[in-house]
Amino acid sequence: EAAVTQSPRSKVAVTGGKVTLSCHQTNNHDYMYWYRQDTGHGLRLIHYSYVADSTEKGDIPDGYKASRPSQENFSLILELASLSQTAVYFCASSDWGGNTGQLYFGEGSKLTVL
Amino acid sequence: LAKTTQPPSMEAYEGQEVNVSCSHTNIATSEYIYWYRQVPHQGPQFIIQGYKDYVVNEVASLFISADRKLSTLSLPWVSLRDAAVYYCIVTDNYAQGLTFGLGTRVSVFP
Repeated sequence: EAAVTQSPRSKVAVTGGKVTLSCHQTNNHDYMYWYRQDTGHGLRLIHYSYVADSTEKGDIPDGYKASRPSQENFSLILELASLSQTAVYFCASSDWGGNTGQLYFGEGSKLTVL
Repeated sequence: LAKTTQPPSMEAYEGQEVNVSCSHTNIATSEYIYWYRQVPHQGPQFIIQGYKDYVVNEVASLFISADRKLSTLSLPWVSLRDAAVYYCIVTDNYAQGLTFGLGTRVSVFP
């Protein structure tokens, strides 16, 4: 079974502070993704990566940076956290082998910005 | 313009079959149909995917109309654990991430 773990699972940050959300996968997958989900809404793609040391912008990248130092690790960085970034963040991985269309998600990181 | 349209919510009792529909009138020949579900406090989980006709696995079955403009996810004998938001996704560019809409919230009553 694929395994994607996120840390921290919950965090309270102050406006203007720096926040780093970490994601680790043990699936040997090339692709990794960061999504955010706001209460009552679907998931929106922030950044993704298909190889170490390279990241790509998703649909809502403003205010976020991403880092992929290795195949296993993918971080989401909020340099200056804002109230509007309060949300649940999900990391996912996939290898897209065989056109399976299967993303493996972590359990989410709840971020509250005060 | 949304690529898929799903009913916002559905209700069922335990033991019933639930059929969640998804309209994708502009689906391209290169696109596949994916279904995910999300239970509270967890990330979405892949259920099934298909291109045409009928697909079945141990969790659900997927029927796709002949013109591929409509798909129906069928969940047999639902239990309380099947209460979740179900997402229908249509894409051929999956490597750049899947786009999750609002989905269908399925409530299951004992």
